[in-house]
Amino acid sequence: SQTIHQWPATLVQPVGSPLSLECTVEGTSNPNLYWYRQAAGRGLQLLFYSVGIGQISSEVPQNLSASRPQDRQFILSSKKLLLSDSGFYLCAWSEGLEGGNEKLFFGSGTQLSVL
Amino acid sequence: KQEVTQIPAALSVPEGENLVLNCSFTDSAIYNLQWFRQDPGKGLTSLLLIQSSQREQTSGRLNASLDKSSGRSTLYIAASQPGDSATYLCAVTDSNYQLIWGAGTKLIIKP
Repeated sequence: SQTIHQWPATLVQPVGSPLSLECTVEGTSNPNLYWYRQAAGRGLQLLFYSVGIGQISSEVPQNLSASRPQDRQFILSSKKLLLSDSGFYLCAWSEGLEGGNEKLFFGSGTQLSVL
Repeated sequence: KQEVTQIPAALSVPEGENLVLNCSFTDSAIYNLQWFRQDPGKGLTSLLLIQSSQREQTSGRLNASLDKSSGRSTLYIAASQPGDSATYLCAVTDSNYQLIWGAGTKLIIKP
């Protein structure tokens, strides 16, 4: 069966420090991978998605970047965190079927607080 | 531009009641609609996915319906239990294969 691991669960970082959140998927190959940010009381905002190794699409210009060094590894990074980067970050995967009728499976999330 | 709305933002009902959560969307050109559950501080769990050609999907005590022409979906929860307390989110896959999310309904089931 497929599983998705996301860590850390919580993170407190000072403004200006770097960031690295990691997500890995097991039990599937060539998944679509996603990074979302969720603000309190609001819907999810898609930050990045990837359909293959080294292929990253950015949905929103921001202080963050993403990389996919391996098929089932997705990393969210920042060189210098801003206060506005605080939020709940979610990694997700899907099987990338044609037609868009694939389910999304989410990691457990990372609560990032930038102070 | 597709917009997804979930009303109410919060709902509290006594245990055992049947209840309906609502989701509306502005553009009927969708590939599917999904309902998710999110526990506090946790990731999302997919509950049901309704393809655009379908009218409903069922899983246990959950039944989701889809009316594309009116831009509405409902999630029906039968015989609610305290363990059903969570935030329920709906999302549609639009014509550009983008997921558009509602803000969620926070459900509290009182014992």
